[in-house]
Formats: sequence, C-alpha cells, structure tokens
Amino acid sequence: AQSVTQPDIHITVSEGASLELRCNYSYGATPYLFWYVQSPGQGLQLLLKYFSGDTLVQGIKGFEAEFKRSQSSFNLRKPSVHWSDAAEYFCAVGPSGSARQLTFGSGTQLTVLP
Amino acid sequence: EAGVAQSPRYKIIEKRQSVAFWCNPISGHATLYWYQQILGQGPKLLIQFQNNGVVDDSQLPKDRFSAERLKGVDSTLKIQPAKLEDSAVYLCASRRGPGTLSLGGRNEQFFGPGTRLTVL
Repeated sequence: AQSVTQPDIHITVSEGASLELRCNYSYGATPYLFWYVQSPGQGLQLLLKYFSGDTLVQGIKGFEAEFKRSQSSFNLRKPSVHWSDAAEYFCAVGPSGSARQLTFGSGTQLTVLP
Repeated sequence: EAGVAQSPRYKIIEKRQSVAFWCNPISGHATLYWYQQILGQGPKLLIQFQNNGVVDDSQLPKDRFSAERLKGVDSTLKIQPAKLEDSAVYLCASRRGPGTLSLGGRNEQFFGPGTRLTVL
C-alpha cells in the first residue's frame, strides 16, 4: 500500500528566508507525486506535480520540488518565503499511470514571521 | 471556469442527527471524489465516482455514510446518524478524467472549499 510521510508537523521561518518541506513516500513502483497548499477555509490548490522526466519540478508561486528515487523523497523548496505563503502544505502520491486516487500525508503547517 | 462548489460551508449538529453535503463539480468533469479531512490529518478518500457510477467506496463507512451522483453531475454525501468522530472537513474534488495522467494536467484533481462539520 502506498503511504506518505511528512515528518515536520509545524515549521516556522522568517519572511525572505529559504524553505524546505520534507516528504517521503512508500510505493512499489514509480509514483506520481504532488504538493498541495491549503489556506484557512480554502480547498487544496495544486502547487506542482511529478510524473516522469526531469526530477526537478517547477510549480506555481515560486515553488519547486525535487524527486529523489534513491531517498524516496519529494521535498518542496522555495528560495525566499513571503508572508502569504503561510498555510498548510500536503504531499500526496498517486499510483503510476493514474491520478484516480491520491494518498495524502498529514501535512506541514508553515508559519512565516515578519 | 467556475471551480468546485460545495454547500453548506459549515454545519453543526448533535450526535445521532443526520446531515447532507452537496457538491457541484467543474463542468465537464467526469470524476468526482469525496474526502474526509480530520483536524491535523491529510484528506482521506471516502468515495470516487466516474460519471454516475461508483469506482471505489472501500473506505466509506457504509453503515452510516452514503453518497450518490444520480445524473453524473452534482453529488450528495449523507451521514445518518452522525457520531462525534465524524467531525471533520468534507472535501469534494473533481477531475476531467478518466484515463491516465498527462503532463498537460488533464487529470488534475480540483478541490472545493469544503464543508466543516462539527458533531456535538
């Protein structure tokens, strides 16, 4: 069965600092990987996704993520965080060849200090 | 393009009462999902529809939860009777689907704002 682990429940960074949110997955084959962001009272918005090819994926709002098969990781990064990035971030995995079902991690809450 | 619509946004009920949530997916999206998101956890899939048929309801507590998508467009999720542990945000998502993923994002899931249910 597929699973996703986000080891950091809560991260606090200062505005302008760099950010890295960790995601580790467990899946028997090549997974499809996603990062979503959820602001209070809002639904989930897709930041980026990895299907195949280049392991460094660019997303919206200046985010990027790198797929590392050897480490079963798909960490999310941003070089300079903005106050508006404060939200909850979810990593998700879908079975290769289909987005029909996603398994989500438990999320990382990001606080941005002025 | 309008997004996924859900109503109500908030609902407070007492245990053993019934409640229903409504979802209208993005126009033309064949696949519809209901997720349950308990506070502090990621969303968990409850049921997946393909048009008006159920694809997967293996994680739906069928003794109390039911869902339908009669005309293959909007959908209703019902809880009867509710328990305290049903307190959560219920998210609806839709996908153009079916078929495999493409880099063009044809099969991206789009989420609604959710319904926050509190069971007292």
